[in-house]
Amino acid sequence: AQSVTQLDSQVPVFEEAPVELRCNYSSSVSVYLFWYVQYPNQGLQLLLKYLSGSTLVKGINGFEAEFNKSQTSFHLRKPSVHISDTAEYFCAVSSLNTGNQFYFGTGTSLTVIP
Amino acid sequence: EAQVTQNPRYLITVTGKKLTVTCSQNMNHEYMSWYRQDPGLGLRQIYYSMNVEVTDKGDVPEGYKVSRKEKRNFPLILESPSPNQTSLYFCASSLARTDTQYFGPGTRLTVL
Repeated sequence: AQSVTQLDSQVPVFEEAPVELRCNYSSSVSVYLFWYVQYPNQGLQLLLKYLSGSTLVKGINGFEAEFNKSQTSFHLRKPSVHISDTAEYFCAVSSLNTGNQFYFGTGTSLTVIP
Repeated sequence: EAQVTQNPRYLITVTGKKLTVTCSQNMNHEYMSWYRQDPGLGLRQIYYSMNVEVTDKGDVPEGYKVSRKEKRNFPLILESPSPNQTSLYFCASSLARTDTQYFGPGTRLTVL
């Protein structure tokens, strides 16, 4: 089985400040990595994904993430947050040696303070 | 409009009373999946399906059944619900495993 660790359950940050949400996964031969966002009372939406190629991945709403194979990490960043970024963020992993399953982290609640 | 629909959105039931939560997608997606979301545990995959008549267990399949008789539908069946199945359930679909998963609006289930 794969494990996904989101180290921070809650992250408060002031508006227009930068933010980093951390995600680590257990080692695997080949992984596919995703970040999803869940706004209050809604389903999840994809922010970005890494399948192969460039380790820096750009997503929607100004978010980006960097795949670091040696650190088994896929941290999410945004240089300047807005109030509308307040939401729950989930990191997810699927890998070749765990079949077609998906594993999600426990989520990070981002609160942007005006 | 491309979407994943789930019904019902809210359900309160009693222990042991069989129920079905429906899930339908109109995007001709191959991959469909059920998740449950619990506080502090994130989303956990219950079952998934790679295509019609092909289903497989996720991380927490105990107490659940699924079927995939048509490409668009992927119902979740609880034959004898118990209180520990009280949760928020999401259905999702994607063209393939590595593609974007589109999530339904969720079904909040309470088992008394």
